[in-house]
Amino acid sequence: DADVTQTPRNRITKTGKRIMLECSQTKGHDRMYWYRQDPGLGLRLIYYSFDVKDINKGEISDGYSVSRQAQAKFSLSLESAIPNQTALYFCATSDPTAYGYTFGSGTRLTVV
Amino acid sequence: GENVEQHPSTLSVQEGDSAVIKCTYSDSASNYFPWYKQELGKRPQLIIDIRSNVGEKKDQRIAVTLNKTAKHFSLHITETQPEDSAVYFCAASLISGGYNKLIFGAGTRLAVHP
Repeated sequence: DADVTQTPRNRITKTGKRIMLECSQTKGHDRMYWYRQDPGLGLRLIYYSFDVKDINKGEISDGYSVSRQAQAKFSLSLESAIPNQTALYFCATSDPTAYGYTFGSGTRLTVV
Repeated sequence: GENVEQHPSTLSVQEGDSAVIKCTYSDSASNYFPWYKQELGKRPQLIIDIRSNVGEKKDQRIAVTLNKTAKHFSLHITETQPEDSAVYFCAASLISGGYNKLIFGAGTRLAVHP
């Protein structure tokens, strides 16, 4: 589903580097989310935003920050990457009437 | 906050058999319970959901049941096929004023053998 686009698709970075993961959507949804997926741990919520002026911490926000630049764009930053942030990161959007999420294709991040 | 537990973590069945995945949630206020399917290398996709005002919902070979008293819900897949092989995630959320923050279970890896 090209409606939710994540860039980059894959990234390898070094410990201590700052990195930004980007998400853009054409669905016109106000609600946007960032999750990370780790084997055996499922999808864990990092940050979420219900509109441009609303940013909220999720279950595991330490070490991450976000920016909602516009309704269609929601970026996730790792200020100083560490190896245990190696994971698959998903952006998602939701419609306030339908409730189901639309996920992006994911960004596989490796911190060495 | 909400916590969702999912069992089993892996499930192996023969083609044609039924598969059942169970989840429990902690927040009695939660009122929305979706299930997502993630095929290998793909993004999670919504396959069925249920709201707290109903006890069961069916869509062809899949069904979800909800027991609000016990705070658990289950996914049932009948007549399994190899293409049902995937990781399945349950989730729970309190829908209020259009706001929806999903908390997911750890996932179940389902393998359907021909």
